[in-house]
Amino acid sequence: QKEVEQNSGPLSVPEGAIASLNCTYSDRVSQSFFWYRQYSGKSPELIMSIYSNGDKEDGRFTAQLNKASQYVSLLIRDSQPSDSATYLCAVPSGGYNKLIFGAGTRLAVHP
Amino acid sequence: GAGVSQSPSNKVTEKGKDVELRCDPISGHTALYWYRQSLGQGLEFLIYFQGNSAPDKSGLPSDRFSAERTGGSVSTLTIQRTQQEDSAVYLCASSLVGTGWDEQYFGPGTRLTVT
Repeated sequence: QKEVEQNSGPLSVPEGAIASLNCTYSDRVSQSFFWYRQYSGKSPELIMSIYSNGDKEDGRFTAQLNKASQYVSLLIRDSQPSDSATYLCAVPSGGYNKLIFGAGTRLAVHP
Repeated sequence: GAGVSQSPSNKVTEKGKDVELRCDPISGHTALYWYRQSLGQGLEFLIYFQGNSAPDKSGLPSDRFSAERTGGSVSTLTIQRTQQEDSAVYLCASSLVGTGWDEQYFGPGTRLTVT
């Protein structure tokens, strides 16, 4: 079992819809979780961090964490074509000084 | 303020040659990380520096890879006797103190092509 798992996609949603991106992790003691956005040919850009169970909202983005189910998700409301990118879920590991990344979910928002 | 910077942005080298990649972290960040991103392997950790502590080299794929960090700031990743499988984007990140709670910020990366 991979440490951090994501559906590779592509996830295709119409403009204005809610995009839901999911991530599961294997380390039960993980305490912090990060979502990065990566445009093609660019480096990862941090968009959300979440540490506590429940929801955390930042603009159109909402991160949801359920530690009991070892599940973290990212919701993007009012999706725009500019949101089309690969979204990477990351969890600290190995003494918590390195990030383990999922393979990423490619999101395509079509007009 | 300025983000993480890396140089060069692109590097093409012949198999067997040595290369040096440079990273300049965000000012005030004490932790610095190197990652590698390739098509088949995704994003993988290479090495971590935090202050004056011994670096965590657990992700380095072979002894051809080494890194140093001078003065607690700029870091250089060196790959000796490059091989074609070393072709990838090498990403540097920095964070404030280097704990698992820290947010890591990435530089633009160096795309290495070994011919």
